[in-house]
Amino acid sequence: EVQLVESGGGFVQPGRSLRLSCAASGFTFDDYAMHWVRQRPGKGLEWVSGVSWNSGSIAYADSVQGRFTISRDNAKNSLYLQMNSLTTEDTALYYCVKDIESKASVYHGMHVWGEGTTVTVSS
Amino acid sequence: QSALTQPASVSGSPGQSITISCTGTTSDVASYNYVSWYQQHPGRAPKLLIYDVNDRPSGISKRFSGSKSGNTASLTISGLQPEDEGDYYCSSYTRSATRLFGGGTKLTVL
Repeated sequence: EVQLVESGGGFVQPGRSLRLSCAASGFTFDDYAMHWVRQRPGKGLEWVSGVSWNSGSIAYADSVQGRFTISRDNAKNSLYLQMNSLTTEDTALYYCVKDIESKASVYHGMHVWGEGTTVTVSS
Repeated sequence: QSALTQPASVSGSPGQSITISCTGTTSDVASYNYVSWYQQHPGRAPKLLIYDVNDRPSGISKRFSGSKSGNTASLTISGLQPEDEGDYYCSSYTRSATRLFGGGTKLTVL
């Protein structure tokens, strides 16, 4: 069974940092692009960042560019999101997501979603 | 990066068909056949319904179909069922190699 389990969320003050992790299992992790998608309380979905299967292509939403860093460790079947200079606008449920196409050069569709980890930024 | 434009709400009766539109620009929807659609029920993670404009992942009902014309993509749900009620989001690949979501559409089954 394909499974994605996020961790690392929590309560943090504005300006501080947090690192999210996502443990993947049940599929060949290094064949697939991965994403982070967030959902603010009561709001819609927002794509945050994506990384290709081989880390050769990485992209960020404008709202997090320069503050967040996505990375993956294919040997550990893990995806990460380093979040710096956090603001209250970053308060959200963060989902780890697997793309649908293997070894693709672009993002085709966000297929398998974790349950999410909650980040709360507040003073 | 402005969100793709979706109607805030749509409704239909059981058995009917409904269509949800998703309008983008020449930087996203119009230029790439990488539009996807997602269903989300309250308190649950989203589910991929359609990818690459009109492909369905394994296990997704044929009642869900996608199309695109110019800068507008559409999701059609035929034979509406009570369990289809929920929030629907479109997403497109963009010229910046990012993904963009629509604001979401709340579907009510009357």
